[in-house]
Amino acid sequence: AQSVTQPDIHITVSEGASLELRCNYSYGATPYLFWYVQSPGQGLQLLLKYFSGDTLVQGIKGFEAEFKRSQSSFNLRKPSVHWSDAAEYFCAVGGTYTGTASKLTFGTGTRLQVTL
Amino acid sequence: GAGVSQSPRYKVAKRGQDVALRCDPISGHVSLFWYQQALGQGPEFLTYFQNEAQLDKSGLPSDRFFAERPEGSVSTLKIQRTQQEDSAVYLCASSSPASGNNEQFFGPGTRLTVL
Repeated sequence: AQSVTQPDIHITVSEGASLELRCNYSYGATPYLFWYVQSPGQGLQLLLKYFSGDTLVQGIKGFEAEFKRSQSSFNLRKPSVHWSDAAEYFCAVGGTYTGTASKLTFGTGTRLQVTL
Repeated sequence: GAGVSQSPRYKVAKRGQDVALRCDPISGHVSLFWYQQALGQGPEFLTYFQNEAQLDKSGLPSDRFFAERPEGSVSTLKIQRTQQEDSAVYLCASSSPASGNNEQFFGPGTRLTVL
């Protein structure tokens, strides 16, 4: 069964500092990996995704993530955090496309707090 | 439409009442998913449609939960005899397998509170 672990429930960083959010996954084949962000009262917005190819993927809002197969990890990074980045971040894994869509399995999320 | 829409955005029900939650996917998206997000948790899969066919309902927590998509567009998630443990945000997502990348677009959710 597929699963996602986000070991950090809550992280606080200062504005302008770098950020890394951890994500480990379990999946029996080559996974599709996603990072979503959720602001209070809002739906999920896709930050970036990995399907294949280059293991370092760039996303919106200056975020990037690196897929490391040997570590089953897909950590999210940002060089300089802005106060508006405060939100809940979810890592998700899905199956590879085989003609029908695949459900996503989400981690429990990491809440990011940004101090000024 | 421009994105996935859900209605109502908020729903308060008394325990034992039936509720119906609506999802309008992005036009042309054949795949539609429902997820349940409890407070402080990540979304959990409930059910999946491809057009009007419900291909996976393994995540529905009980037979009180029922989903339909009769014309392959709008979907309704119905919860009968609501219980307090049903309180959660219900998210709908749609995707287009034609894009080949399993990217799902989420609606804003319906927050259900059962008193």
